[in-house]
Amino acid sequence: GNSVTQMEGPVTLSEEAFLTINCTYTATGYPSLFWYVQYPGEGLQLLLKATKADDKGSNKGFEATYRKETTSFHLEKGSVQVSDSAVYFCALRDMGSSNTGKLIFGQGTTLQVKP
Amino acid sequence: DGGITQSPKYLFRKEGQNVTLSCEQNLNHDAMYWYRQDPGQGLRLIYYSQIVNDFQKGDIAEGYSVSREKKESFPLTVTSAQKNPTAFYLCASSGGYNEQFFGPGTRLTVL
Repeated sequence: GNSVTQMEGPVTLSEEAFLTINCTYTATGYPSLFWYVQYPGEGLQLLLKATKADDKGSNKGFEATYRKETTSFHLEKGSVQVSDSAVYFCALRDMGSSNTGKLIFGQGTTLQVKP
Repeated sequence: DGGITQSPKYLFRKEGQNVTLSCEQNLNHDAMYWYRQDPGQGLRLIYYSQIVNDFQKGDIAEGYSVSREKKESFPLTVTSAQKNPTAFYLCASSGGYNEQFFGPGTRLTVL
């Protein structure tokens, strides 16, 4: 079945450090891929997305590239800020014949950025 | 502003009680979803609905029920059959083949 695996956290960085959060997936067909962010006590917000191989999603300085050959969608940011501290979720949407719109989520990775 | 609202933000339930969580959207989306989130874990799908008057069980539907009488509304009832209901509940909606948009969540605590 479809699944998403994220690197375990927490990830602790100093301000202005480079961020990578790894995400790999298993899926049939050609899924759309997403990164969501969750701040404490809030719902999830879409951070970025990619719908086909080699697409690069980007938003607020974050980037992720859809790599079909390695089934990966790693999240990167060149210089993190304290305000980026949150939980980040990688997710996929199966676009196959039985498309129900359901998302499959990874377990989330907590990012802590220290001043 | 278009969006998804959930109420209440905090909810307390006594043992043996049924409680209903509200979810409303004004995005004109056909599909709506309910997820459960436990501390340090990802989201698990409870129920989803792709169209009015139709819904399907997700991965952890036991002890929950839903209805979809209007396009805008998708309430979730946590019944007394749910043995461990304390969690953060998130509602989402989507239109077509696009991403899901999430509400702010309801935190349910069993006393």
